[in-house]
Amino acid sequence: DSGVTQTPKHLITATGQRVTLRCSPRSGDLSVYWYQQSLDQGLQFLIQYYNGEERAKGNILERFSAQQFPDLHSELNLSSLELGDSALYFCASSVEGIPGNTIYFGEGSWLTVV
Amino acid sequence: GEDVEQSLFLSVREGDSSVINCTYTDSSSTYLYWYKQEPGAGLQLLTYIFSNMDMKQDQRLTVLLNKKDKHLSLRIADTQTGDSAIYFCAEIPNQAGTALIFGKGTTLSVSS
Repeated sequence: DSGVTQTPKHLITATGQRVTLRCSPRSGDLSVYWYQQSLDQGLQFLIQYYNGEERAKGNILERFSAQQFPDLHSELNLSSLELGDSALYFCASSVEGIPGNTIYFGEGSWLTVV
Repeated sequence: GEDVEQSLFLSVREGDSSVINCTYTDSSSTYLYWYKQEPGAGLQLLTYIFSNMDMKQDQRLTVLLNKKDKHLSLRIADTQTGDSAIYFCAEIPNQAGTALIFGKGTTLSVSS
């Protein structure tokens, strides 16, 4: 158990809908990362937050957004969902979000868009 | 290239050594990592190496780093069936802040 908690574990929704994925980082970790894992694209970095502020952006679509709240949990919002958004979404956390800090991953949220 | 490159599949027999190779992108990446993903599970950090090292050994795992060629390898000695998983190489390139950038993963299949 990495200490990173993600909910829901599985989600099935229809195209055009909007979903929110939730992440609770390890206790004491200030930095949260979101990743998308799909068969064709592999593991893609989406976005990073540190202590409530956006720190780095990867291949995140404009239809997707994220935020980190004062209690340090984070949410990833996916809107106008398309079939191609079906993937495993990982949240990860680290203490300070600096190189050398170990990054711990949650078990992921499986999203299926039908 | 602009992607972290790994071969997609490796098949070995139980008891043999496995070597998984990776070519990363940024010669200034300070840390390089190996993660393991078992079926239906999240990513588990296996080991990492600091860029001023050539080699790091941790029990059955040996990491070799060739900075000149931007080549990283993971050797698993005495490979067991429980080692069957997907292995990801990752770096933290300068342009990604402090986020890990992963290769597509190497699926290791161990037969008994």
